[in-house]
Order: sequence, then structure tokens, then C-alpha cells
Amino acid sequence: SAVISQKPSRDICQRGTSLTIQCQVDSQVTMMFWYRQQPGQSLTLIATANQGSEATYESGFVIDKFPISRPNLTFSTLTVSNMSPEDSSIYLCSVIRMLGSTSVQETQYFGPGTRLLVL
Amino acid sequence: KNQVEQSPQSLIILEGKNCTLQCNYTVSPFSNLRWYKQDTGRGPVSLTIMTFSENTKSNGRYTATLDADTKQSSLHITASQLSDSASYICVVRGGGSYIPTFGRGTSLIVHP
Repeated sequence: SAVISQKPSRDICQRGTSLTIQCQVDSQVTMMFWYRQQPGQSLTLIATANQGSEATYESGFVIDKFPISRPNLTFSTLTVSNMSPEDSSIYLCSVIRMLGSTSVQETQYFGPGTRLLVL
Repeated sequence: KNQVEQSPQSLIILEGKNCTLQCNYTVSPFSNLRWYKQDTGRGPVSLTIMTFSENTKSNGRYTATLDADTKQSSLHITASQLSDSASYICVVRGGGSYIPTFGRGTSLIVHP
């Protein structure tokens, strides 16, 4: 299994400020992702964090709003910039580890999440 | 468009009772289907993973079924416990992509 930690676990922020969320994995993983989960909703993929290069963003998410870094295979950060109350959500780091070449041998793990409230 | 629909949206049962959660998907081509349990304030944790050739898979009191022809899956919980109270999320991955499609989840509450 992969142990994922996120910092902070929760925060309350003022409108217009920025927050950087850290994700640390206990071992090297193939892929790292950032998800958002709004109240009562499913998980929505924000972006795939690529090591040493720009993240790959999903439709509706842009780098200026959600800059992501991944300096190595075990660490990534997500920044929520110029926050508004609509950014209040749970942000989850997720990783995939490939144990073999078939889809059943992939395992996706999730971090505990960061609860963000923007006032 | 790939979609995963779960029902019911929420469910309340008494401790010790059984329940079944449903998942319908349109993801194609199909690679695998996972059921996750997400406790309040925690990240999702995988319960089962099933591929095209698997019809049933069990993990303790959790039993998942898959009908790839009708694109339906179910998660059956036997002899429910208070600790089963959580959101259960169906996640389907299509072939050729590492990006899965998530259902909205079923919120289960087990009352004593």
C-alpha cells in the first residue's frame, strides 16, 4: 500500500488569498493526481501532476488558478489561488502504483484530504 | 460521454441488516470497476476491484458483483455494522486511460 499525507488537514481562508496544499507519499509512485470534492458531490479531477514538467489540467481547471508542482516522485503541491467561497471544498491527493502490466494490477490510493473553507 | 450513476443517493438501515447498492455505467471500453468506502473527513479506500471477466468478488462482509453485458455493478453489505456508515463510491476506468470516472456515491447510515 501507499501512505499519503496531506498538509494542512483543514484551513479557513479569506477571500482573495492563496493556499498551498502539500502531498507526500511514502514511496515512489507512477502517477499523482489532484481531485476536488465539493459537498455532496463526486470527486472531480483537477489535474495530473507530472514530475519535472507542467501539470496536465482537466477541462475547467487552469494553471493560473491551480498551480501544481511535482519536483520528485514522492511530493507534490497544489495551490488554490485568489480564493473565493466557491473554492470551499475538500482537495484530495491521489496516486497510482503499477504492480504489473494489467489494469487489475494498478492500485489507486487517496490521501486524507484537505478541507478548505473560504470566507 | 462516460458516466457512472449510483443508486440510491442515500440509505438508512438498522444495524445487522443487509443492503445492496447499485452502480450503472456507460464507460467504454471497460477496464475495471472499483468500489470505494469514504468515511466522513477521510479519503476513499478501495474495497474491491473487478475486471471484465469477474462476476463476483468478496472482501469480508462486502460482496461486489459485475455484469459487463448490462454495465451494472452492485455492492452488497451483509450484517451491517455502525462502522459501515460512510459514502460508497463506484469508480470505473476505461481502457487506454488512467483517468477513472467517479459516481456521486451512496451515503449509507447504519442506526443502532
